[in-house]
Amino acid sequence: AQKVTQAQTEISVVEKEDVTLDCVYETRDTTYYLFWYKQPPSGELVFLIRRNSFDEQNEISGRYSWNFQKSTSSFNFTITASQVVDSAVYFCALSVGDSSYKLIFGSGTRLLVRP
Amino acid sequence: DTEVTQTPKHLVMGMTNKKSLKCEQHMGHRAMYWYKQKAKKPPELMFVYSYEKLSINESVPSRFSPECPNSSLLNLHLHALQPEDSALYLCASSPEGNSYNEQFFGPGTRLTVL
Repeated sequence: AQKVTQAQTEISVVEKEDVTLDCVYETRDTTYYLFWYKQPPSGELVFLIRRNSFDEQNEISGRYSWNFQKSTSSFNFTITASQVVDSAVYFCALSVGDSSYKLIFGSGTRLLVRP
Repeated sequence: DTEVTQTPKHLVMGMTNKKSLKCEQHMGHRAMYWYKQKAKKPPELMFVYSYEKLSINESVPSRFSPECPNSSLLNLHLHALQPEDSALYLCASSPEGNSYNEQFFGPGTRLTVL
């Protein structure tokens, strides 16, 4: 069975603080893909990153960085120098196999960045 | 054009009404999806269309009826809904219906059933 766990329900930080959102996944498949999506109050899910199971390189994109560790089945997301505009719900998701359409979402982490 | 559009943004309907939600994308994507999202929950997959054919129905009640008139359009027809069907309905598309394709989401239709 596949599962994604985001243990942090809600995080509150002050602007300019760094914050890490945790994601732990479970799957027995050797081929899988991990995603992060951002959902601001407007409702639209915004794609942030995809990582495949064969590529453990960490990635940095501006203030965003992702740490993928297969040994701990984790795909954590760090925002450096957070801004008020980063306030949103962040979902980690898993897709497995070669032909699965299904995104298995975690329960989401609500991030509030206070000025 | 890299967006998915959805209309209407908000919809209020009675339990005896018939209404439709519309979704459109012009990215040439061949897979389109309907999701339902309740407050403070992740999206739940309802239907998947691949090359204009229904490929997945996640055991959705028949009061929800999807339709894919062409590769750019996806409709969700609603009939005899219940108050518990009130939710945000999200449409998404992806280049193909594969696990490695990221899905691009629309802004959603916020549905209230009275």
